[in-house]
Amino acid sequence: GAGVSQSPRYKVAKRGQDVALRCDPISGHVSLFWYQQALGQGPEFLTYFQNEAQLDKSGLPSDRFFAERPEGSVSTLKIQRTQQEDSAVYLCASSLALASGGNTEAFFGQGTRLTVV
Amino acid sequence: RKEVEQDPGPFNVPEGATVAFNCTYSNSASQSFFWYRQDCRKEPKLLMSVYSSGNEDGRFTAQLNRASQYISLLIRDSKLSDSATYLCVVKGGRNTNAGKSTFGDGTTLTVKP
Repeated sequence: GAGVSQSPRYKVAKRGQDVALRCDPISGHVSLFWYQQALGQGPEFLTYFQNEAQLDKSGLPSDRFFAERPEGSVSTLKIQRTQQEDSAVYLCASSLALASGGNTEAFFGQGTRLTVV
Repeated sequence: RKEVEQDPGPFNVPEGATVAFNCTYSNSASQSFFWYRQDCRKEPKLLMSVYSSGNEDGRFTAQLNRASQYISLLIRDSKLSDSATYLCVVKGGRNTNAGKSTFGDGTTLTVKP
């Protein structure tokens, strides 16, 4: 399929463990976004890439969260020393849009459901 | 106060009913507006963009009032398949990266036979 692909779909981590979540955006999409969605809430912005440049990381909740997109396509969200409050669905989205915004659709992956025990 | 606020719901309506969802946003310089639909345990998917002049897509009508910072979604002749959570999304604005989208917490709709 040509959609946004995320892996793993499910991850159970012990408190204190490091995890890495992968996102394969749609080929050619310039913009890539990571969101965190807690149960019963809307997605909360974490960070945004335009190609390989991380233009906005204002939503990352702590310095335990780190994201990269070194070659401007695949992105990895890393969470160090996971805590129970990190349990959520982590959604990745990509779009053709540049930072100029506009009414360009963002396509979401199915997410990674992280449970920290 | 959240940047994007929606009716808390849930809305439970019979098939064929008309239902309206409201959304308000706090950043007056926001640039783009959308409604997304999210089915249970699935990813959000774009339902429609929202334009200042209002726009319609079949049974769905979206309205934007920039002066009141208010967005609405009207669904006519509800179908069982319309059951989902509807997310109001605002993009860009003052002191905000133009590419960043801010989501409301969603309004859940259940259409019953």
